Amino acid sequence: QVQLVQSGAEVKKPGASVKISCKASGYTFTGYYLNWVRQAPGQGLEWMGTINPTGGYTNYAQNFQGRVTMTRDTSTGTVYLELSSLRSQDTAVYYCARVGSWGAYDSEYWGQGTLVTVSS
Amino acid sequence: QSVLTQPASVSGSPGQPITISCIGTSRDIGAYDYVSWYQQHPGKAPKLIIYEVSNRPSGVSNRFSGSKSGNTASLTISGLQAEDEADYYCSSYTTYRRSSTLFGGGTKLTVL
Repeated sequence: QVQLVQSGAEVKKPGASVKISCKASGYTFTGYYLNWVRQAPGQGLEWMGTINPTGGYTNYAQNFQGRVTMTRDTSTGTVYLELSSLRSQDTAVYYCARVGSWGAYDSEYWGQGTLVTVSS
Repeated sequence: QSVLTQPASVSGSPGQPITISCIGTSRDIGAYDYVSWYQQHPGKAPKLIIYEVSNRPSGVSNRFSGSKSGNTASLTISGLQAEDEADYYCSSYTTYRRSSTLFGGGTKLTVL
C-alpha cells in the first residue's frame, strides 16, 4: 500500500534552515508528482510547491520563492523540503502528499506531517 | 486571507444534508475542473474526498458529492453522521500568473 513516512519534529531558531524528508513506498516513486503543504497552528492548508520525481522538476508557490528547495533521491524513494531564513510564522505542520493516479492536481496520499517550531 | 472563500462554520443534525460552498474566480474554479475537497479531523492529515469537481476516490462514502457552477464549487454531505464532524477544505488549480494550487480557508462542520 502507498505510504509516505516523514522525518521527525524539528525546533529551529529564527534565520536557520530546516530540511524535512518524506520517504515513499508501495508504488513506483517516479510515477507520481509529490506536493508539499503546510498548516500553521489553528490555520488552514497552504500549498508550497510540487516536485516531479522523474526529472526533479519543481514548481514553487510564489510565497516561498527564494526560500524553498525541493529535491528527491530516486535511489531511496525520498523527497526533501528545505526551507531557509526561518521566521516564527513558519511554525507549522509540513505535509508531503502524493497526487492521485488520475492526474496531477490532487493530493490522494498524505504523510503523517512534520511539526517545525521556529523559536528563539 | 485565502484566495478561495469558504464559510467558517456550518452545522447540521444527524441524517440531514449540508452543503459547503467554495467561491473562487474565473481564473481558478471557473477556469478548470480541478476542484478538490479534503476532510481533516483534529490532529490528523487531510483526506481527499472529492477530486476533479465530483469524483470520489476509492473507499470514500457516496454520501459525499461535489459540484460546480461558474466560479463556485460545492460539497454536499447527505445523511450527516457524527464522524463527519471535521474541517473541510476546498482546493483549485490555477495558471493565473503561474501554475499553482489554491486552498480555501476551511469550514468547520459541527454535527449537532
